[in-house]
Amino acid sequence: QKEVEQDPGPLSVPEGAIVSLNCTYSNSAFQYFMWYRQYSRKGPELLMYTYSSGNKEDGRFTAQVDKSSKYISLFIRDSQPSDSATYLCAMKGGGNKLTFGTGTQLKVEL
Amino acid sequence: NAGVTQTPKFQVLKTGQSMTLQCAQDMNHNSMYWYRQDPGMGLRLIYYSASEGTTDKGEVPNGYNVSRLNKREFSLRLESAAPSQTSVYFCASSETIEQFFGPGTRLTVL
Repeated sequence: QKEVEQDPGPLSVPEGAIVSLNCTYSNSAFQYFMWYRQYSRKGPELLMYTYSSGNKEDGRFTAQVDKSSKYISLFIRDSQPSDSATYLCAMKGGGNKLTFGTGTQLKVEL
Repeated sequence: NAGVTQTPKFQVLKTGQSMTLQCAQDMNHNSMYWYRQDPGMGLRLIYYSASEGTTDKGEVPNGYNVSRLNKREFSLRLESAAPSQTSVYFCASSETIEQFFGPGTRLTVL
């Protein structure tokens, strides 16, 4: 079993929809929970990160962490075609290393 | 400010050939990383360097070697390429939580 599980999609939604992306994990030592966005043929870029449990909002994006369930989510409100990308969750305990999910491919259609 | 740069962008090798992938960062980060990204597998850590002069194995180090040449540069060497090493390779650097990624090298081994 992988430490981090993520549904690969693809996920296709109409413009303006609310998108929910999720990851589950098994390692209780993870303390930092991140979401990276990767456009086609580009390197990943950090969208936002959360320390421990709780919510964090940044514009149209909201990250949620539920450590008791080992479940994290990213919500995108009013989705736009420019949000079409692969979204990777990543997690970190002590030290520098990140553990990534496999990524969910999102397409927002006009 | 170029961020993280990687060369080459594309490479085709024959089985058994060797090559070195180059990575440089201009953000004065201490930590640098090499990942490979394969469909359905996500980003997997090959090697990392927590600081100049140190390197450590990641999840999939077999068949690779690294050199942390100085604080700016971290190279990845394939001594005898195999078709299983066909992948997209990303270099990243970090100082705290966020890892900054380069644009990637697409490597095909025939």
